[in-house]
Amino acid sequence: GAGVSQSPSNKVTEKGKDVELRCDPISGHTALYWYRQSLGQGLEFLIYFQGNSAPDKSGLPSDRFSAERTGGSVSTLTIQRTQQEDSAVYLCASSSRTGPGELFFGEGSRLTVL
Amino acid sequence: RKEVEQDPGPFNVPEGATVAFNCTYSNSASQSFFWYRQDCRKEPKLLMSVYSSGNEDGRFTAQLNRASQYISLLIRDSKLSDSATYLCVVNRPSGAAGNKLTFGGGTRVLVKP
Repeated sequence: GAGVSQSPSNKVTEKGKDVELRCDPISGHTALYWYRQSLGQGLEFLIYFQGNSAPDKSGLPSDRFSAERTGGSVSTLTIQRTQQEDSAVYLCASSSRTGPGELFFGEGSRLTVL
Repeated sequence: RKEVEQDPGPFNVPEGATVAFNCTYSNSASQSFFWYRQDCRKEPKLLMSVYSSGNEDGRFTAQLNRASQYISLLIRDSKLSDSATYLCVVNRPSGAAGNKLTFGGGTRVLVKP
C-alpha cells in the first residue's frame, strides 16, 4: 500500500516482557516520528528521525525505550521490561520534507501490558 | 507548563452554528503551526496549516497571533461530520535532527442536530 504501515496492530503482553513495534513509512519520506497516545489523551512525542542526522530522542520516557531506523526507511521501537503504564497506542508518522510538512500517520499499534 | 495547551472541551455545538477555540504555545521559537483532526480511534490527519496572515479553507478559518502566542480555529456552519478532536501542532527547530512537531492535547467538538 501507499500509506504508512505499522505492525502489529494490536499487542497484548505481560509485564516485564520486551516488545518490538514496527513502522514502514511512505517510500521516499525522509522524516519519521514516533508518538504515543494514551486513552483520551493527546499525542506524546517520543523520537524523530530525519535522514542520516542523529535522531531527536528527547521524548523517550525512560531508558527502557529505544528506536532505530535502518537504511533510512523502516523503523523499530523497542520497549524493554514493559510496565502497565506503557499501555497506549503507538503512532508512527512520516513526512516528505526536511522542514515541517504534512505528517502521514499509520493506524497505530495498540499495546496492552497486563 | 505544557509546550502546547488546548481546552479539552467538549464543545457542544448545534448543527449550523459557529464554534471557535484556541491553542497556546510556550516556545517563542516556534515557527510553523497546523491543525489536525482526529476521529475516534483513528489516526490524526492534517486539516490545515496556519499562516501568519490567517487563512481559510471552506468553512474553516485559522488565525495566528505571535505576540500572544496562540492560534485559533473557527468552524462555520457546523456539520455533524465535524464532530472530532482537533489537535493543535507546533513546530520548532530541534538541533541536528531539524524539527520537532509537538501536539496539543486536543479539543473535542460534538456537533448535535
